Amino acid sequence: ETGVTQTPRHLVMGMTNKKSLKCEQHLGHNAMYWYKQSAKKPLELMFVYNFKEQTENNSVPSRFSPECPNSSHLFLHLHTLQPEDSALYLCASSQGGAPTLHFGNGTRLTVT
Amino acid sequence: QQQVKQSPQSLIVQKGGISIINCAYENTAFDYFPWYQQFPGKGPALLIAIRPDVSEKKEGRFTISFNKSAKQFSLHIMDSQPGDSATYFCAATPGGSTLGRLYFGRGTQLTVWP
Repeated sequence: ETGVTQTPRHLVMGMTNKKSLKCEQHLGHNAMYWYKQSAKKPLELMFVYNFKEQTENNSVPSRFSPECPNSSHLFLHLHTLQPEDSALYLCASSQGGAPTLHFGNGTRLTVT
Repeated sequence: QQQVKQSPQSLIVQKGGISIINCAYENTAFDYFPWYQQFPGKGPALLIAIRPDVSEKKEGRFTISFNKSAKQFSLHIMDSQPGDSATYFCAATPGGSTLGRLYFGRGTQLTVWP
């Protein structure tokens, strides 16, 4: 496989569930990101990891917990979510400080 | 405060026509301006990008026009095709190692009718 792969593609969860989103990049990049995409809103940067270290947390609620075990894998652990958290969650990677992001196809999350 | 303002929100163009999407910014530290294209069910993908030292960049049917003094840039799609129907996002990022810190516009949904 090439590029950035996200699983699952779709996820429906109740407000009391715990689930995780997975992202894997096959581009040899060292930086990875989580973005939230809601209808008619700009893409919102959530977290940035550089060489497995979190370098940015964009005031994201603690019910979202990221994990980056290595430069190729990124997880987003979800618990006690709210219906307004329903959105498309996009993972991206880049080579260091290069401004070009490579996105996965996202996980469509629905919180019921 | 929205860093990059994009218009229109939606655009309908006839096949063969010109599609124009506009963006404006305030932060003079921005020095890289990419456009991303997103098809339904897919993530955004880089389409074309420009730096402020040039006023225009063309790649095939896609052209970015950049006006540094007005702090505006636009995407022109010549000879628009139904396959161009997608959502387009402009973005901007400041110079230096920004770890991909991009500020996105809200997006423009383009529909090209055959």
